[in-house]
Amino acid sequence: DVQMTQSPSNLAASPGESVSINCKASKSISKYLAWYQQKPGKANKLLIYSGSTLQSGTPSRFSGSGSGTDFTLTIRNLEPEDFGLYYCQQHNEYPWTFGGGTKLELK
Amino acid sequence: QVQLKESGPGLVKPSETLSLTCTVSGFSLTSYHVSWVRQPPGKGLEWMGVIWGDGSTAYNSALKSRLSISRDTSKSQVFLKMSSLKTEDTATYYCASAFAYWGQGTLVTVSS
Repeated sequence: DVQMTQSPSNLAASPGESVSINCKASKSISKYLAWYQQKPGKANKLLIYSGSTLQSGTPSRFSGSGSGTDFTLTIRNLEPEDFGLYYCQQHNEYPWTFGGGTKLELK
Repeated sequence: QVQLKESGPGLVKPSETLSLTCTVSGFSLTSYHVSWVRQPPGKGLEWMGVIWGDGSTAYNSALKSRLSISRDTSKSQVFLKMSSLKTEDTATYYCASAFAYWGQGTLVTVSS
């Protein structure tokens, strides 16, 4: 199985700042990496797929980059609603696997 | 609009079989794949398996011997059946369409 390692596990930032979350695959997954946001009481939200393609409705302050084994989610000019949990997921081969998650907290 | 809703028992005994239903609206099951994903309390997400628009399935190898995913397109429902439940199967179970739309999840506790 492809192991997905996310870093950092926890991240504290203030509104207006920019942050980056990294995701490393144990083998090449080409461009097939998705990013999700999870918040209590809300459905999980697909932000980015295929490494860098924004899902419809995702604000442009979110961006994704990378290919092969190393990927990054960048959020510029943080808004209050951006705080929560973030997961990466590879969808290149079965079983589709998720990273361990990054908790983005208010500093 | 697209909606998915999971339903099933909140409590199941060890060694029993879990049956969950995902009822969808706003799209056809023959057009988009639907996955089941679970999340133990306080832990991360685990992909369990998928049923594609053509009805084919794929499963997480770690669960394959216990897991079955099927559907009834006339009722817009996808089903999950998992046998030989253990306490570590306690989790919130989600269904998701092409991962773009998710249900709110249903908590299943495995306990005697």
